[in-house]
Amino acid sequence: DTGVSQNPRHKITKRGQNVTFRCDPISEHNRLYWYRQTLGQGPEFLTYFQNEAQLEKSRLLSDRFSAERPKGSFSTLEIQRTEQGDSAMYLCANQGADTQYFGPGTRLTVL
Amino acid sequence: RKEVEQDPGPFNVPEGATVAFNCTYSNSASQSFFWYRQDCRKEPKLLMSVYSSGNEDGRFTAQLNRASQYISLLIRDSKLSDSATYLCVVLFTGGFKTIFGAGTRLFVKA
Repeated sequence: DTGVSQNPRHKITKRGQNVTFRCDPISEHNRLYWYRQTLGQGPEFLTYFQNEAQLEKSRLLSDRFSAERPKGSFSTLEIQRTEQGDSAMYLCANQGADTQYFGPGTRLTVL
Repeated sequence: RKEVEQDPGPFNVPEGATVAFNCTYSNSASQSFFWYRQDCRKEPKLLMSVYSSGNEDGRFTAQLNRASQYISLLIRDSKLSDSATYLCVVLFTGGFKTIFGAGTRLFVKA
């Protein structure tokens, strides 16, 4: 257990619906990442926060995706108007020193 | 070309074997390098950082060659429990963008 938690662990939704995932990081680590991972691939970088500031976003993060980290604590990732191609594991990672500690991920299935 | 590329897998080796993975990166501005391990349906976990001078942790040895832009991971005396996917990770200078390779699957057989 890395101390990073994610909810929900699984989400099944219909195409076109909005979904929101939550990540609760280790409190003393101020850097937070979101990744997306599909079968047979490594995690793909989506976005990065330092405290509450979103400092970097991947081109993978289309307009349908938004991430927030109010107060520099927990973070949310919202996907609007989901598409079947959004089906993946969404991983949150919290960085302390050089190490990224990953949460267990939220597996999204879009029907 | 992908920014981080790894040996295609899977690697199937017997217990006790030595196995080596390579990873190449394309951006010379890369700053830090790591190997992560990911078990099936689990999150990635740091295996070891990779330092310019090379580093060793028990049966695992990591090396970095900046001139040729590759890193390697050597596993000696393979155990069944080493079966996993090994992910090469690069952190780029000037930002915090972290790029993962697609991973190399290792199966260690009894």
